[in-house]
Amino acid sequence: EIVLTQSPGTLSLSPGERATLSCGASQSVSSSYLAWYHQKPGQAPRLLIYGAYTRATGTPERFSGSGSGTDFTLTISRLEPEDFAVYYCQHDETFGPGTKVEI
Amino acid sequence: QVQLQESGPGLVKPSETLSLTCTVSGGSLVSYYWSWIRQSPGKGLEWIGCIYFSGTTSYNPSLKSRVTISLDTSKNHFSLRLSSVTSADTAVYYCARTYNSRAMDVWGQGTTVTVSS
Repeated sequence: EIVLTQSPGTLSLSPGERATLSCGASQSVSSSYLAWYHQKPGQAPRLLIYGAYTRATGTPERFSGSGSGTDFTLTISRLEPEDFAVYYCQHDETFGPGTKVEI
Repeated sequence: QVQLQESGPGLVKPSETLSLTCTVSGGSLVSYYWSWIRQSPGKGLEWIGCIYFSGTTSYNPSLKSRVTISLDTSKNHFSLRLSSVTSADTAVYYCARTYNSRAMDVWGQGTTVTVSS
């Protein structure tokens, strides 16, 4: 069973800053099955990135995904106020524990 | 555009069966997987299982003995049954359209299910 870890647990930043979120897998995984979501309070998660690198429909260009094997990264180039949320990575049937991006 | 809506009882007694339905509007069940995911209060996301439009299912091993997912293409909906529930099954339950990579691009708004006598 693959276990996903995410770091940091909480990221405190300001609008306009760059955010780098990490997702680690307990064993090498296919990047085709790696996705990123964000979730705001009281809302359903929203798909941002799938296949490790591909932006979902409607995902702004400031979001980018990278990585392979056991280490994946979601980068937000310049934080907008609406980006403050919890971010989850997912591989196949497993979700990571999340990273909270807060002001 | 495709929209999903969960429906079902918000309160289920311990040891009984939780039953939810996800109605798909603006699109068809064909050519996609359809998933159920839950989120316990203050916790992360847990994948419950999914069904392909052909009827093939896949379940979370930790829930497999209690879970059944089915679909009805004539009604354009799919359903979740979770048997022998306990308080640990209290959660917000989401349904989602799913790629074959398991990425979920369209989600319902979620429905809260509380297990309590």
